[in-house]
Amino acid sequence: DTGVSQDPRHKITKRGQNVTFRCDPISEHNRLYWYRQTLGQGPEFLTYFQNEAQLEKSRLLSDRFSAERPKGSFSTLEIQRTEQGDSAMYLCASSLTAGNTIYFGEGSWLTVV
Amino acid sequence: GQQLNQSPQSMFIQEGEDVSMNCTSSSIFNTWLWYKQDPGEGPVLLIALYKAGELTSNGRLTAQFGITRKDSFLNISASIPSDVGIYFCAGQLRETSGSRLTFGEGTQLTVNP
Repeated sequence: DTGVSQDPRHKITKRGQNVTFRCDPISEHNRLYWYRQTLGQGPEFLTYFQNEAQLEKSRLLSDRFSAERPKGSFSTLEIQRTEQGDSAMYLCASSLTAGNTIYFGEGSWLTVV
Repeated sequence: GQQLNQSPQSMFIQEGEDVSMNCTSSSIFNTWLWYKQDPGEGPVLLIALYKAGELTSNGRLTAQFGITRKDSFLNISASIPSDVGIYFCAGQLRETSGSRLTFGEGTQLTVNP
């Protein structure tokens, strides 16, 4: 399967712990996006990368959240000191260039207890 | 965050019936996309529309990009049980705002055999 790959698919963590999600985009896609989706809502934009550069961050991305794409390939999204309100599905997506079709991964479910 | 107005929120139909759902925005987009999402999975792209007035089909699915660039609709003909899922519209401004997607809140479709 050469689609967008996310790991882990599910994560249950205690409040206050740190969690990290990984995304492997479609090969040669230089745009990578992170979205968050809560139950009953559509995905909401968090941040995006053009190659290794993080070009925009949403106001939804508090200072407890950090995303990296060190070599312009895979990306990680870390949430520090998790809160119950962080429980959501975190979706990664990629596209070939700006304006091209965006393809989503299967998502990483986070439950904070 | 900003979201599109998608309606209806849910639909319960009999197998074989046609379905129509739409999406409106107060802002102009230059691309409209329709995604389907199954429980616990990421959104899967169904149709992409790139020009105002464009009408595009993908099998039993037909979607149109509104002339005003502020709306789009999706039709599903002769529904089958596997059409069950949540359908999301998404608007995109290519070359601006990181080409991020703005999503509607989804239409939950249930098809009774």
